[in-house]
Amino acid sequence: SQQGEEDPQALSIQEGENATMNCSYKTSINNLQWYRQNSGRGLVHLILIRSNEREKHSGRLRVTLDTSKKSSSLLITASRAADTASYFCASSLYNNYGQNFVFGPGTRLSVLP
Amino acid sequence: DSGVTQTPKHLITATGQRVTLRCSPRSGDLSVYWYQQSLDQGLQFLIQYYNGEERAKGNILERFSAQQFPDLHSELNLSSLELGDSALYFCASSPQDRIYNEQFFGPGTRLTVL
Repeated sequence: SQQGEEDPQALSIQEGENATMNCSYKTSINNLQWYRQNSGRGLVHLILIRSNEREKHSGRLRVTLDTSKKSSSLLITASRAADTASYFCASSLYNNYGQNFVFGPGTRLSVLP
Repeated sequence: DSGVTQTPKHLITATGQRVTLRCSPRSGDLSVYWYQQSLDQGLQFLIQYYNGEERAKGNILERFSAQQFPDLHSELNLSSLELGDSALYFCASSPQDRIYNEQFFGPGTRLTVL
């Protein structure tokens, strides 16, 4: 399977703490994206990091990418109860043979007030 | 609100039946993507259309088909339904044809096959 893996599967923290989620993928990629999903609802794009980038910030989000290890991490700083959701990484590959978009299994984050 | 609409929100049907899910992309977006989300398979990319033409294919079963119409809305047809087809079906849209661009997701259609 081309599907990557995320860990942990579930994470429970207190409000104000930082949350770190990791993602691994199996093929070379063009970029990697992180999405958030509130229970049973559509996904919301959070951040995109290109294969030639190593780190990217957006507000309280920090994403790193290590292409040599085929892994990425998402850090949410100063977490809030509203951050409670599932977080998915998605790796995309586009070449002369076509394109594909593979989601990881997701990390379910619970931020306790 | 992403601007992507999907109908219906919920669909309950029986095994062996055929259903059609509908998606309207954001205004100006030419690409439409379809995804299936189930507990055992996770979130899987099914197929992408760009300006009416199929552009990429993922783990889409032969019993499933899709099309994109001249007004850019898209339909996903699921036939000979099985219990295992019960899932959330999302569509997403983006302006360009490259799958690696940011996608905007609709609220999903929850399909239950009894």
